[in-house]
Amino acid sequence: ETVLMQSPGTLSLSPGERATLSCRASQSVSSSYLAWYQQKPGQAPRLLIYGASRRATGIPDRFSGGASGTDFTLTISRLEPEDFAVYYCQQYGNSQWTFGQGTKLEFK
Amino acid sequence: QVTLKESGPVLVKRTDTLTLTCTVSGFALTDATMGVSWIRQPPGKALEWLAHIFSNDDTSFSTSLKNRLTISKDISKSQVVLTMTNMDPVDTATYYCARALWTPHTGSWFDTWGRGTLVTVSS
Repeated sequence: ETVLMQSPGTLSLSPGERATLSCRASQSVSSSYLAWYQQKPGQAPRLLIYGASRRATGIPDRFSGGASGTDFTLTISRLEPEDFAVYYCQQYGNSQWTFGQGTKLEFK
Repeated sequence: QVTLKESGPVLVKRTDTLTLTCTVSGFALTDATMGVSWIRQPPGKALEWLAHIFSNDDTSFSTSLKNRLTISKDISKSQVVLTMTNMDPVDTATYYCARALWTPHTGSWFDTWGRGTLVTVSS
């Protein structure tokens, strides 16, 4: 079973700053079989990125995803107040889905 | 418009069997590029994928929970049903159903989620 390790656990930044969130897989995964979600308190997760780098419908272009081997990144170019939330990565392989433990993006 | 809605008991007792229903609309449970998963989230903790049913009725389960889970669907009712046996207080969580899309180039991801239903397990 592939384990996804997200870092940092908590990221403290201010609006306007750049956020870089990491997700590392414990074993080789397809470089495009990764998605990112945003979750706010009391809400269901919202899809941001799929296929490692493809933005979901309606997602602003300040969100971008990248991949290099077993390392994946979610970048938010300029933080808006509504971006402060918890972010999860998710991978798919062999008919199994796995989530990371999440990164909380909080106000500095 | 694609929607999913979870329903089921809010409170179960230890050792009970939990049955949750996901009622979907806006897409077909027989579409080959789609399926439905159940995912849970204990209070304050991370998401955990539980089970999936494919368009052809094949199923897949979390390795750690597969002995306790079943998943099925009723096309006529547009419903996907999850059962989890031998419930324990550690199973207290919000349970979500979500539509999974798949392509060979981009893998599988969850594009639409239900609002979730909080299930509490009493001891």
